Amino acid sequence: QVQLVQSAAEVKRPGASVKVSCEASGYTLTSHPIHWVRQAPGQGLEWMGWINTANGNTKYSEKLQGRVTFTRDTSANTAYMEVRSLRSEDTAVYYCARQFARGWSGWFDPWGQGTLITVSS
Amino acid sequence: DIVMTQSPLSLPVSPGESASISCRSSRSLLHSNGNTYLDWYLQKPGQSPQLLIYLVSNRASGVPDRFSGSGSGTDFTLKISRVEAEDVGVYYCMQALQTPPTFGPGTKVEIK
Repeated sequence: QVQLVQSAAEVKRPGASVKVSCEASGYTLTSHPIHWVRQAPGQGLEWMGWINTANGNTKYSEKLQGRVTFTRDTSANTAYMEVRSLRSEDTAVYYCARQFARGWSGWFDPWGQGTLITVSS
Repeated sequence: DIVMTQSPLSLPVSPGESASISCRSSRSLLHSNGNTYLDWYLQKPGQSPQLLIYLVSNRASGVPDRFSGSGSGTDFTLKISRVEAEDVGVYYCMQALQTPPTFGPGTKVEIK
């Protein structure tokens, strides 16, 4: 079945970088955009940005612009999200999600299982 | 950015009863192509969000017909008829009309 499988949880020091993977199975990664959404402990959902998996074009949230990079490896059917200069407030569960579009935009389905990134000294 | 609000934020429901969640957007979510870009997601405890309803009223694959979505413009409703124990979790509405997509604060549904 169609699913997105993310990499395991990590603990990082402030100032470090982290790279999370999101492997697509059951479909070809390049057929749909991938969005990244994060959720701080006990909080709601925050959109981080998206990657056009067909051509690699990206769009980032204003808040994270300059500290986050989305890439993809089409041969591995995998998307990646890297956050640099980590701060304690980056502690969150990070989700990738496939976007279905009808016309202008669309919905997210499915979502990956989430990757907990803990930033702590 | 489009601001999404939801009410109530907490909703205790007895099994078999119906539940209704309201979602409002700070501007109309109707696109000139005729689609209204409002979706509903459910995040069950300890799980990732899952799609329930897309484009206001379309149930995602596998979603029971106890779930229904309605609304237009800036006002939307998710209705759950005959709530079951497996329906507990946090329900989020999300607008996908404009970048960035934005989510409501979530409505926590629990069983009385």
